[in-house]
This record gives sequence, structure tokens and C-alpha cells, in this order.
Amino acid sequence: DAMVIQNPRYQVTQFGKPVTLSCSQTLNHNVMYWYQQKSSQAPKLLFHYYDKDFNNEADTPDNFQSRRPNTSFCFLDIRSPGLGDAAMYLCATSRASITAGGPYNEQFFGPGTRLTVL
Amino acid sequence: AQSVSQHNHHVILSEAASLELGCNYSYGGTVNLFWYVQYPGQHLQLLLKYFSGDPLVKGIKGFEAEFIKSKFSFNLRKPSVQWSDTAEYFCAVNPLMIYNQGGKLIFGQGTELSVKP
Repeated sequence: DAMVIQNPRYQVTQFGKPVTLSCSQTLNHNVMYWYQQKSSQAPKLLFHYYDKDFNNEADTPDNFQSRRPNTSFCFLDIRSPGLGDAAMYLCATSRASITAGGPYNEQFFGPGTRLTVL
Repeated sequence: AQSVSQHNHHVILSEAASLELGCNYSYGGTVNLFWYVQYPGQHLQLLLKYFSGDPLVKGIKGFEAEFIKSKFSFNLRKPSVQWSDTAEYFCAVNPLMIYNQGGKLIFGQGTELSVKP
């Protein structure tokens, strides 16, 4: 089945130790997103890639970076994780389509990576 | 700033009861609207969506939602809930802005639904 895959599902890191979260998709979607969801809060968009174009949200801390080496993969890098960065990180994809009431169709989500910072 | 409000944080119902979850958003322009569901231990899944046309949209598992533009609302309904509907429900809005290339979703806080058998 076509899907969005996130690895690892659980990640434990130490305060200040860089960490990378991975997302891959078999949907061949051209847009990929990273959301942060803290406990009992709504998912919040960090940034997204429209094809190779990176779009950062204005309030996303510089500590968060992303890479998209090809259509299928996207990475979230946290350069120096703090205790406040402990959260669920969700990857999502969509196909930009001007025919779908859009130009964007719905987003498909991966299972998330739960990050713990010690 | 755009925002989405879900009025009920936790709803407890008995099986066969009717459900209505409220969702309001603040954005004066054109929007795409979504309801996502997250079953325990699973990822977010799309329940239904509204892009244009008939403001009453039907989704999976007997859910429907009505877009009322004048009220900036997109409430979710189901006439008769089942125990298997126990999950967290998120309303999400995609404001269509000329400069926004990304199809950004703004989520509500979520409503946890517990259905008692």
C-alpha cells in the first residue's frame, strides 16, 4: 500500500545532542510537511517542501532544519534539542493539484516519531 | 493570525447517541476544510473534506460535516456513534492565500471522543 513512513517511531536523545528524524513516502507526492505536536496540543506546521522549494514557517526556531534529497525522502534535523522540543513529530504529504479545489489536496500523515529529550 | 477552535475538548457518549463536534475558524478568505481522526495508537486519517460545492459533505464511517460560511463553521456530525468511534478528532483549515505555496493546515486543539458500550 502507498503510504508515509516515519523512522524511528520513538527517539530518545540527550539535551543538546543533534538528532535526525526520517520520513519517506511511496505516494509520489510533490509536497512534504513536518508538523510538531506537543502533548494535548494541535499539530503545528514547522516547514514544508514544495518539490525542492523549502518553505519555513515564520515562527519555526532556527534549531530546526530540513532536507529533502529526493521526492521520496525528507529529514527533520534538530541541531541542539532542548527539553521543550520533546513532542510528536508528524510527516505529511500531499499532491499539489489545481484541479482539486486547491491548489492542494488533502494531506496524508505518517504515524509520527515521538521524541524524548533527557 | 488564522486560528481554529474546537469547542469540546472531551466528549463522552453512549453507543447510538448522536454526535456533533463544533469547529470554528478565523480567516476571511477562501478555505479548504478537513476533519481528521486519530484512533488510539494510529496515525491521523482523513474523515472528510470540503473544497467547494455542496456545503454538506459526507465522509467515511457515516460522518458528515456542514460548512456554514456565514458562521465560519464546519461542524462534524454522526447520527449514531459506535464504540469504535472512540478517537481524537481534529478540525483543520487550509487558508488559500496567493503567496502560500504550501497548502498549510491549521489544526484545532482536537476533541477526544469516548463512546461507552
